[in-house]
Amino acid sequence: GAGVSQSPRYKVAKRGQDVALRCDPISGHVSLFWYQQALGQGPEFLTYFQNEAQLDKSGLPSDRFFAERPEGSVSTLKIQRTQQEDSAVYLCASSLGRALNTEAFFGQGTRLTVV
Amino acid sequence: KQEVTQIPAALSVPEGENLVLNCSFTDSAIYNLQWFRQDPGKGLTSLLLIQSSQREQTSGRLNASLDKSSGRSTLYIAASQPGDSATYLCALRSGGSNYKLTFGKGTLLTVNP
Repeated sequence: GAGVSQSPRYKVAKRGQDVALRCDPISGHVSLFWYQQALGQGPEFLTYFQNEAQLDKSGLPSDRFFAERPEGSVSTLKIQRTQQEDSAVYLCASSLGRALNTEAFFGQGTRLTVV
Repeated sequence: KQEVTQIPAALSVPEGENLVLNCSFTDSAIYNLQWFRQDPGKGLTSLLLIQSSQREQTSGRLNASLDKSSGRSTLYIAASQPGDSATYLCALRSGGSNYKLTFGKGTLLTVNP
């Protein structure tokens, strides 16, 4: 596709449920990022992939959060045993090169609500 | 730790007015700065990317400037239109983790017809 695609757009999960969020980056983009955006806040960095390698996962809030990009294209962010504080918009971004000097393109996001 | 502040948090203007949105940052050793637009319930749309060696970038009615020494960037919107209503976010890359973007909280702009 022409842009970054995320699915589902909306997800309601019961507390304790596991969820998986998908990101399809722009074809050929080397770098992929996940960000978390709480209501009224700017996005906060979660993790960074360069191709299939996860180079930085320092922003993941807890060990309940796990991200993968096994073939260097599609990425999945998994949250285990969801808690109410996990409610947020999860944004995926990709960029063509190794991120430093290249523009980041964002998807529409997945709005997660934990009830 | 890099901190990004956007002032004002919200701005309401009549249609046709020229306006300036402000972004300030604490660590001037940045690699680049990117302005985004976010519509309600939507993702981020990139507006302008300014490299650290550049002073400004222009796209249509938008002009972004960068002054590293003072830790500031401004986004100038000329002849504002109701369709410009959105949240505008400033984000930058700096420091050792030069791939991650550090965002401000954004300015919510409303352009009234």
